[in-house]
Amino acid sequence: AQSVTQLGSHVSVSEGALVLLRCNYSSSVPPYLFWYVQYPNQGLQLLLKYTSAATLVKGINGFEAEFKKSETSFHLTKPSAHMSDAAEYFCAVSEDTGNQFYFGTGTSLTVIP
Amino acid sequence: GAVVSQHPSRVICKSGTSVKIECRSLDFQATTMFWYRQFPKQSLMLMATSNEGSKATYEQGVEKDKFLINHASLTLSTLTVTSAHPEDSSFYICSATYWARGSNTEAFFGQGTRLTVV
Repeated sequence: AQSVTQLGSHVSVSEGALVLLRCNYSSSVPPYLFWYVQYPNQGLQLLLKYTSAATLVKGINGFEAEFKKSETSFHLTKPSAHMSDAAEYFCAVSEDTGNQFYFGTGTSLTVIP
Repeated sequence: GAVVSQHPSRVICKSGTSVKIECRSLDFQATTMFWYRQFPKQSLMLMATSNEGSKATYEQGVEKDKFLINHASLTLSTLTVTSAHPEDSSFYICSATYWARGSNTEAFFGQGTRLTVV
């Protein structure tokens, strides 16, 4: 069985500060891991994905995530928050990139001017 | 990347009527499509998985007769909410995948449909 836990349903950071969104997963097989961003009333946009290549994955908009097998984590970071980063972020796990996804409950990011 | 188009983006319907939501893969043939539902301030929950030309596989707790899924072609899947009620109001999102080199590629998501039943 696969599951995803996102710690912190709401995160607030100041503009220019570090963004850290936490994601832990459980999987019985080597996982594929994803981070998606969702703006209000819109669908999901892929930020980045881990598919068993490099453990440090760089995505769009300056985001990156590091796969740590020993900690079963895939935390999302960005060195300097921008106002446009305010959105809902979902971590997801899949056994295969095309199979069904199991999503975390999401983290709402607020960026304070 | 591949594009998945979902239509309509918003729909308001009267209680008791049916609503059809379309999910199209615009530049690839989708062997599998997934339908998700998202309640306010909650995560996405898988409703069903559909493969072209076969019956959809529904997740536990999802009413097959209420949420009719048709995947008649490799580029189109439809979700029909029959006899809609206010509790069916939600955000519905589809995703599509295709087989390449012996495995599924990543899933591509539609823009979502905001359904409001009044």
